[in-house]
Amino acid sequence: EAGVVQSPRYKIIEKKQPVAFWCNPISGHNTLYWYRQNLGQGPELLIRYENEEAVDDSQLPKDRFSAERLKGVDSTLKIQPAELGDSAVYLCASSFGPRHEQYFGPGTRLTVT
Amino acid sequence: SQQGEEDPQALSIQEGENATMNCSYKTSINNLQWYRQNSGRGLVHLILIRSNEREKHSGRLRVTLDTSKKSSSLLITASRAADTASYFCATDAKTGGTSYGKLTFGQGTILTVHP
Repeated sequence: EAGVVQSPRYKIIEKKQPVAFWCNPISGHNTLYWYRQNLGQGPELLIRYENEEAVDDSQLPKDRFSAERLKGVDSTLKIQPAELGDSAVYLCASSFGPRHEQYFGPGTRLTVT
Repeated sequence: SQQGEEDPQALSIQEGENATMNCSYKTSINNLQWYRQNSGRGLVHLILIRSNEREKHSGRLRVTLDTSKKSSSLLITASRAADTASYFCATDAKTGGTSYGKLTFGQGTILTVHP
């Protein structure tokens, strides 16, 4: 069974530029999560989807971050414009439902210069 | 904000020894989960223990949960060099109603197992 796929794996951009991350969850997983992990810290939830609906986006900085999950499968997380403090690893995870364990992708390491 | 706090922050042991990591949290939970993260790799789910469970085993892993003390421990027996990783506890807090799925991770314990 294929795991959670994320791309790109690495991204280096200059501040004020836009950037987008893509995630393909495990087949059959209705719940999809985006996390941000700073160096030496645990992941922090940004947004959670149940199918196409964003059911928890309370920690998503909405002035510059946006996300979508078209057709309840793939998802895209966008930052526009990026700031130096956005440098982190962005992790996507999926699960059968909110009561089940989460499976994480390898992450996208973003460096903003 | 981070609800779970792991202790110790770092642990260094020899192969064959047991490793114990602790996690404390602040609010009522639906469940508590432990994850492992190797250097440069994603997080891997290890064990999920529900609030009405006290102990769970998976291979060389043993997790306990004490909801009265709001704490959990992860025991790895007969450790191997391949167990070297960061270990995170994550709590699924009760936020009212039947809301699930919002995990709050701790800062993790860095485990080093020397061959």
